[in-house]
Amino acid sequence: SAVISQKPSRDICQRGTSLTIQCQVDSQVTMMFWYRQQPGQSLTLIATANQGSEATYESGFVIDKFPISRPNLTFSTLTVSNMSPEDSSIYLCSVGIRRSSYEQYFGPGTRLTVT
Amino acid sequence: GQNIDQPTEMTATEGAIVQINCTYQTSGFNGLFWYQQHAGEAPTFLSYNVLDGLEEKGRFSSFLSRSKGYSYLLLKELQMKDSASYLCAVRELGGSYIPTFGRGTSLIVHP
Repeated sequence: SAVISQKPSRDICQRGTSLTIQCQVDSQVTMMFWYRQQPGQSLTLIATANQGSEATYESGFVIDKFPISRPNLTFSTLTVSNMSPEDSSIYLCSVGIRRSSYEQYFGPGTRLTVT
Repeated sequence: GQNIDQPTEMTATEGAIVQINCTYQTSGFNGLFWYQQHAGEAPTFLSYNVLDGLEEKGRFSSFLSRSKGYSYLLLKELQMKDSASYLCAVRELGGSYIPTFGRGTSLIVHP
């Protein structure tokens, strides 16, 4: 298993500003992912954070809006840039231990409110 | 891509049995997952089915029929703490390793 922490746990931000969310895992993991979960909605994959290379973004998400860093196998950041109220959501970090493993572990999430 | 459908909300009585259904459409099936998510918390893994049949794990069981594009999560001897959202997620062959999640079923267990 993996223990995942995220910072901050929640924040209230003004329109037009940016917020960086940190994800720390207690062990080295192959795969790290960032999800968004809007109120009453399911988990939507934003991107896969790749160590040593650019993140792989899903359709509808772009690097300019959601830049991601992954400097090593235990840490990643997601930045929500130039925020608008539509970005209000819960952002979750998730990891997969091995490509052959089917189980994902999720962080506690960061609850973002944009005013 | 996948099209995943599950009921939005269900209610049940403590001690009873509840079945949460999930139907999906996919071009190449490669596994179905169930996750539990309590309000304000992260999703936690419950079960994984890749072959037809029933997988039992304590009070929770998960069933899969690939030919019908259908799965259900069965919760027995319901407890108040089972009140949560239950997410069905389907993974496709090839491409991304990552499953696509349904909208989730909010289960309310009352005394």
